[in-house]
Amino acid sequence: NAGVMQNPRHLVRRRGQEARLRCSPMKGHSHVYWYRQLPEEGLKFMVYLQKENIIDESGMPKERFSAEFPKEGPSILRIQQVVRGDSAAYFCASSPRREAPLHFGNGTRLTVT
Amino acid sequence: KNEVEQSPQNLTAQEGEFITINCSYSVGISALHWLQQHPGGGIVSLFMLSSGKKKHGRLIATINIQEKHSSLHITASHPRDSAVYICAVRALGEGGSNYKLTFGKGTLLTVNP
Repeated sequence: NAGVMQNPRHLVRRRGQEARLRCSPMKGHSHVYWYRQLPEEGLKFMVYLQKENIIDESGMPKERFSAEFPKEGPSILRIQQVVRGDSAAYFCASSPRREAPLHFGNGTRLTVT
Repeated sequence: KNEVEQSPQNLTAQEGEFITINCSYSVGISALHWLQQHPGGGIVSLFMLSSGKKKHGRLIATINIQEKHSSLHITASHPRDSAVYICAVRALGEGGSNYKLTFGKGTLLTVNP
């Protein structure tokens, strides 16, 4: 039973390009959370999705950021027109139910040059 | 003031020592998590607890809901325990929104041989 899979592990983008981060939750998990970890800062909640639905995106910047969790396939966090300040580690976590323990992926480290 | 405060920020110990990391929070919670993050690595969930005490191997987590305080203890510490330990709380939310985690900034533990 594979854990939460995130890819790519490392992503380098030039300013203005698009970044697509993928997260495959654990088998049987329909709840997905995305978190961002900025250098020297703690993790911050971005968005919570449950199959095909965005439940809460209050932690995600209104512009340039979007997330989806389609019926088939991984959850995608998309950042358009990246800027240097988007450089961070992005972690995905999944759970089978809303209040169940979370399982985290290894993260995607985004570097914007 | 951060809703979740950890102490100490940095901790250096000799192999075999007993380690304590503290976490204080200011909101009502439904659960508290202890997480482990190795440098450049993913995040592993160690404990989720809402009362009392949990033990797993050499790790013990305790929580005092009245005092809004939790501790993570490591007995017989080993260099492989070197990592960042993060406390996160699931605040009691309105309308069932108690899924968001608020994270402390982490405690960097270094265990020397």
